[in-house]
Amino acid sequence: GAGVSQSPSNKVTEKGKDVELRCDPISGHTALYWYRQSLGQGLEFLIYFQGNSAPDKSGLPSDRFSAERTGGSVSTLTIQRTQQEDSAVYLCASSLEGLNEKLFFGSGTQLSVL
Amino acid sequence: AQTVTQSQPEMSVQEAETVTLSCTYDTSENNYYLFWYKQPPSRQMILVIRQEAYKQQNATENRFSVNFQKAAKSFSLKISDSQLGDTAMYFCAYQGAQKLVFGQGTRLTINP
Repeated sequence: GAGVSQSPSNKVTEKGKDVELRCDPISGHTALYWYRQSLGQGLEFLIYFQGNSAPDKSGLPSDRFSAERTGGSVSTLTIQRTQQEDSAVYLCASSLEGLNEKLFFGSGTQLSVL
Repeated sequence: AQTVTQSQPEMSVQEAETVTLSCTYDTSENNYYLFWYKQPPSRQMILVIRQEAYKQQNATENRFSVNFQKAAKSFSLKISDSQLGDTAMYFCAYQGAQKLVFGQGTRLTINP
């Protein structure tokens, strides 16, 4: 596609429910990032995929968070048993090679946990 | 771990003025890249400018330029002849051998 696509753009869920957020990176991009941005705050790193290497999961805040990237393309971020503090914008970004390359961002998923 | 600090949560200037946004970082690496990203109200992050640490010459992109002071670990962004469309959150970011790390951002408002 022309850019990084994220879906849904908005998600409202109830506390305790599981949610899945999807990211379609730019075709051919080997690197994919997930970041979390709370209201008016900076970007908190969550996870980084680079080609066939083991992902860097060092930013995942708890074991309720997981992510996978199938076939080196689409990625899904899953949050289990959502809590109110999970409410934020979840941003996905991809780049051609990974290190020191320009990142192309999606428009994010606004997650609201009631 | 590398950290990026932006000490100005908010800034406001008049249209056509010049504004400088501050950024400092902490690292023990010698080779790395620094970035400034812009996030307008649409939420779409856009790369503004990129600096390679091994290059002494400061990067420029039209009205945007940086002042890169490697010894001081400082990487400020200067916006000349500011325009209303420059209103956005601006994030400084660092990448060495690992993941890209962002600062907390500076909210810049350009007033007419």
